Amino acid sequence: KNEVEQSPQNLTAQEGEFITINCSYSVGISALHWLQQHPGGGIVSLFMLSSGKKKHGRLIATINIQEKHSSLHITASHPRDSAVYICAASNFGNEKLTFGTGTRLTIIP
Amino acid sequence: EPEVTQTPSHQVTQMGQEVILRCVPISNHLYFYWYRQILGQKVEFLVSFYNNEISEKSEIFDDQFSVERPDGSNFTLKIRSTKLEDSAMYFCASSFFGVGTEAFFGQGTRLTVV
Repeated sequence: KNEVEQSPQNLTAQEGEFITINCSYSVGISALHWLQQHPGGGIVSLFMLSSGKKKHGRLIATINIQEKHSSLHITASHPRDSAVYICAASNFGNEKLTFGTGTRLTIIP
Repeated sequence: EPEVTQTPSHQVTQMGQEVILRCVPISNHLYFYWYRQILGQKVEFLVSFYNNEISEKSEIFDDQFSVERPDGSNFTLKIRSTKLEDSAMYFCASSFFGVGTEAFFGQGTRLTVV
């Protein structure tokens, strides 16, 4: 059973700051997913990665397979980035996602 | 852009009643999922569905739960006799190819059991 842990649980930052959210998992995975959940509850997929690094706009996701660790970075943060960011792991041999507890990000103007 | 749609967005039901949560996955996707999130907790896997049958289910998915793809477009989750602890946000998701492919989520159905 994969354990997925995130840190920090809550993060408040000023607009423009560089944000890092961390995710670690306990067993090997087929892919690591970063998701965004807005206050209304809907979940949006941001990234899926199994190695290296991906970038989309101001968001960057990295993964270190050997260390079983992934990070989500947000550059030039903006109040509209305020949301809960969740990492989830998909494991070899099954289709389900195992979710972390989420990081609640608040960007203050 | 294709999206997963769920109805209703919010449902209130009395304890012991049956509820059906509905989802329309993305049309060319082959794998379908239900997840739930109890308020303040992490999202939990309930069930995955492929080729018209359940491919995996969690311990939560007991005999009170069932899933169905009745007409090739809808994907439903039925709870036969709701309990207070079934109150949660239920998310439907779909993916084209299952393991290691991106899952697309619906906006969720908030189920409140009173």
